[in-house]
Amino acid sequence: AQRVTQPEKLLSVFKGAPVELKCNYSYSGSPELFWYVQYSRQRLQLLLRHISRESIKGFTADLNKGETSFHLKKPFAQEEDSAMYYCALSGRSTGFQKLVFGTGTRLLVSP
Amino acid sequence: GAVVSQHPSWVICKSGTSVKIECRSLDFQATTMFWYRQFPKQSLMLMATSNEGSKATYEQGVEKDKFLINHASLTLSTLTVTSAHPEDSSFYICSTTYRNLRYEQYFGPGTRLTVT
Repeated sequence: AQRVTQPEKLLSVFKGAPVELKCNYSYSGSPELFWYVQYSRQRLQLLLRHISRESIKGFTADLNKGETSFHLKKPFAQEEDSAMYYCALSGRSTGFQKLVFGTGTRLLVSP
Repeated sequence: GAVVSQHPSWVICKSGTSVKIECRSLDFQATTMFWYRQFPKQSLMLMATSNEGSKATYEQGVEKDKFLINHASLTLSTLTVTSAHPEDSSFYICSTTYRNLRYEQYFGPGTRLTVT
């Protein structure tokens, strides 16, 4: 079964502190992993995907197949990073089109 | 990037009535669109996959006769909530995969439905 687990509902940090949003997945095979972000009063948008191996807005995420994790990290959080973050996966069984979302983690960065 | 719009952004209807939500791809052709439902402070739950020119594929547990999906053109998919009840009140979001970006979905802004 496909499943994405985000254990933290809320993560509260101070500006400048490191951030790690956890994501674990369950999938038989090699999934594609994504992080989506939803800022206040805005639509859901793609932050980054593991196949791109890129850093967006200072965030990075490494796929660890052994631990089936795809944690999102940023060394120095900014207030504008406050948002809802969703980890998601897609798989070959659905043509890599359908997304399975985790329950989301709200990141709150305080000044 | 691709732009997806939804109309209306917010709708209130009475129990027993039907309400239609539109999802449009503004600058590209979308052969496949997805409809999600999001309860307050919860994650997105995929309801159905809308395919242009064919019947929608519904996820397990989603009543296809209650949530009618029509994808009659390459730029428009509609979700009709029939005989709405208060428990149908939710945030409905559509998305589409941009045909040249296989693994990326673009999301609409969502429609908040309140059934009184």
